[in-house]
Amino acid sequence: EVQLLESGGGLVQPGGSLRLSCAASGFAFSSYAMSWVRQAPGKGLEWVSAISASGGSTYYADSVKGRFTLSRDNSKNTLYLQMNSLRAEDTAVYFCASYSGYDIDYFDYWGQGTLVTVSS
Amino acid sequence: DIQMTQSPSSLSASVGDRVTITCRASQSISDSLNWYQQKPGKVPKVLIYTASRLQSGVTSRFSGSGSGTDFTLTISSLQPEDFATYYCQQSYTTPLTFGQGTKVEIK
Repeated sequence: EVQLLESGGGLVQPGGSLRLSCAASGFAFSSYAMSWVRQAPGKGLEWVSAISASGGSTYYADSVKGRFTLSRDNSKNTLYLQMNSLRAEDTAVYFCASYSGYDIDYFDYWGQGTLVTVSS
Repeated sequence: DIQMTQSPSSLSASVGDRVTITCRASQSISDSLNWYQQKPGKVPKVLIYTASRLQSGVTSRFSGSGSGTDFTLTISSLQPEDFATYYCQQSYTTPLTFGQGTKVEIK
């Protein structure tokens, strides 16, 4: 059974940092591109970032470029999102999601999400 | 960035109705269009990928069509479990983008 388990969310002040983790199991993690998608309270889905299966390529939404860094450790089956210079508008549930394979196409599996709240 | 526009933003329908949701891309995306269903408090679930391919395990009540800039998601006969919010998503190029969502409510 595929499982994606996010952790690391919480309350942080504007300008602060958080590191999200996503522990994957039940599939060949190193063969899948991965992503983070967020959803602000009561709002729609927003793609945040993606990383290739090898970790050699990363992609970011303009809204987080230069502030967020996506990485992965295939030996630990874990995805990371380092979030710096956080803003109120980054408040959202952050979902870890896997693509269908090597390609960055559609999201096949989703974690349950971790809530990030940016507030003073 | 490619903008995805869904219509309508919400609709009310009855059980048994045929429902169509439209998604328009701001430029051609070939058939790189995917549809998701999200119920309140739940994670999204892929229904259709590559415009018209039904995800394994998804009921055949759902179908997708279109290419280029215009796409549709059709529910052939609305069932109680289909009341949810539906999102389209383009996978033609990064940044990937979603439509704003269409909420399907009970009439």
